[in-house]
Amino acid sequence: GAVVSQHPSRVICKSGTSVKIECRSLDFQATTMFWYRQFPKKSLMLMATSNEGSKATYEQGVEKDKFLINHASLTLSTLTVTSAHPEDSSFYICSAQTPDQPQHFGDGTRLSIL
Amino acid sequence: SQELEQSPQSLIVQEGKNLTINCTSSKTLYGLYWYKQKYGEGLIFLMMLQKGGEEKSHEKITAKLDEKKQQSSLHITASQPSHAGIYLCGADIVGGSNYKLTFGKGTLLTVNP
Repeated sequence: GAVVSQHPSRVICKSGTSVKIECRSLDFQATTMFWYRQFPKKSLMLMATSNEGSKATYEQGVEKDKFLINHASLTLSTLTVTSAHPEDSSFYICSAQTPDQPQHFGDGTRLSIL
Repeated sequence: SQELEQSPQSLIVQEGKNLTINCTSSKTLYGLYWYKQKYGEGLIFLMMLQKGGEEKSHEKITAKLDEKKQQSSLHITASQPSHAGIYLCGADIVGGSNYKLTFGKGTLLTVNP
């Protein structure tokens, strides 16, 4: 149980393109979903916390207009990187949680902006 | 400064050897989670610890949370190549109904056959 699916696993696109990443909890309803960014040899950096039906809570220093998060249902959250630039290239990971369970993570999305 | 310190940063052991990874916080750990990650992939949940002095085991991996709830250790007995990967500790250092986790930088484990 507790499977989280993240799609796509890899994206390569041109600078200026917007990219959408999906995070789905397949066998449970996630009250909360989290979006992280991971740099090489660095810890996971929390970008935002997303609760179904409400606006995401962004961490300090994360641009809300740059990283759009939509949590339309208890099983789906999306992260859209708008007008992506090379500095946005990174590994993005989502996780999903219910109050009585630990966070379960997707397999991540490797984003490369040319 | 890093709120959650993991040590060592990397570890190379011979197959069959035991090893320990530590995770230390200057703040109380309301929940401590151990995950394993392979490079370029997601995190696999290993264990969750919440009570001071708590110890949990799964197969050859044992995790402990100290009485003061500020340090946790992950111990692998008779390591195997399948144990290789990046081990991350994640902690709830706020408590209450907050579910956010702060992560350490990870420990890269290599197990040589």
